[in-house]
Amino acid sequence: QKEVEQNSGPLSVPEGAIASLNCTYSDRGSQSFFWYRQYSGKSPELIMFIYSNGDKEDGRFTAQLNKASQYVSLLIRDSQPSDSATYLCAVNWDGGSQGNLIFGKGTKLSVKP
Amino acid sequence: GAVVSQHPSWVICKSGTSVKIECRSLDFQATTMFWYRQFPKQSLMLMATSNEGSKATYEQGVEKDKFLINHASLTLSTLTVTSAHPEDSSFYICSATGLVYEQYFGPGTRLTVT
Repeated sequence: QKEVEQNSGPLSVPEGAIASLNCTYSDRGSQSFFWYRQYSGKSPELIMFIYSNGDKEDGRFTAQLNKASQYVSLLIRDSQPSDSATYLCAVNWDGGSQGNLIFGKGTKLSVKP
Repeated sequence: GAVVSQHPSWVICKSGTSVKIECRSLDFQATTMFWYRQFPKQSLMLMATSNEGSKATYEQGVEKDKFLINHASLTLSTLTVTSAHPEDSSFYICSATGLVYEQYFGPGTRLTVT
């Protein structure tokens, strides 16, 4: 069974700090990895995706991928109260034939002013 | 770019009636769209994969005769909840796939069945 695991949180960080969100996945054949943000009562919003080992930066967000360890993380620098949301990790597992993603249950982040 | 719309954003219907939800990719073509359901404080649950011009693929436990999906064009998929019951009340979200299999989500439709 292909699984994506995330710590449910809540993860609480002070404003201005770095928030670190982690995700592990079970299928070594996974190719693409995605981070979504979901505010309460809203639909998920794509933050970024990564498919090569290493780091990928986009503004205050950095995604890190380690395929050997089957681990992907999201760092949020200079965290703001507006970053308070649930962050979903998703993995593409079927080689892209239909683009099915497996989602983790999400980590709830709370940024305290 | 990569905007997905849904209509309606919320709907209230009486038990036993049917409700149609539309999902449109506004600025790109989507061969594949997905339909999810999310109950309060719970995870996204994939209901079905919708492919343009062919039958939808339903996840285990999802009744295909109750949740009718039609993907009539590369920019439009519809979900019809037939004979709705209060337990069908939920947040229904569609998504469309981009070039690297990223999914762009619509804003969701909140269905309340009374």
